[in-house]
Amino acid sequence: GESVGLHLPTLSVQEGDNSIINCAYSNSASDYFIWYKQESGKGPQFIIDIRSNMDKRQGQRVTVLLNKTVKHLSLQIAATQPGDSAVYFCAESMNYGGSQGNLIFGKGTKLSVKP
Amino acid sequence: KAGVTQTPRYLIKTRGQQVTLSCSPISGHRSVSWYQQTPGQGLQFLFEYFSETQRNKGNFPGRFSGRQFSNSRSEMNVSTLELGDSALYLCASRTGLFNEQFFGPGTRLTVL
Repeated sequence: GESVGLHLPTLSVQEGDNSIINCAYSNSASDYFIWYKQESGKGPQFIIDIRSNMDKRQGQRVTVLLNKTVKHLSLQIAATQPGDSAVYFCAESMNYGGSQGNLIFGKGTKLSVKP
Repeated sequence: KAGVTQTPRYLIKTRGQQVTLSCSPISGHRSVSWYQQTPGQGLQFLFEYFSETQRNKGNFPGRFSGRQFSNSRSEMNVSTLELGDSALYLCASRTGLFNEQFFGPGTRLTVL
């Protein structure tokens, strides 16, 4: 499969446990944040997003937390499954002329789920 | 609904050559963005097109260019290839400028 990154931070969890993946974003002017999941040989897959006027958003088995004070974003995955094994990227964006603008990606975290 | 498609999936070129990559967005999506992914630099934004107009451009040399057609399909071109251009090139589309981006599988370019 495709190698999406060498020497990525790795998080190893047991199946059924909860996972927390952290991300420090760079620009205090960013107002839109997204988490993507990338499996080997595939493009990034949208998981969940959050705008800067919120500090928490929940999806199916996932929760994103945003702390603008310290420019920190986290992704919580409940009851982690082997299919969750992938590289996870956070991305930030600003409004450019009203659009969400280009995405600035973090370096990624590799999640490994042990059965 | 079919996802974002990119062609070709794999490509091998030699230094100095030029290459054109193609992206077909999800039906109804008018915005197409291109990203370069390498192990060292991660995912980096190249440019975005909306209704055939380039809206944003990343910090890449002029050898990297793109265009979008009236049917929203997009191409990116890299001229005078360098070894460092070896990467996975990803295309993403979205309905409009306030929607999430959906990525294609990428084109793996190897420059020898």
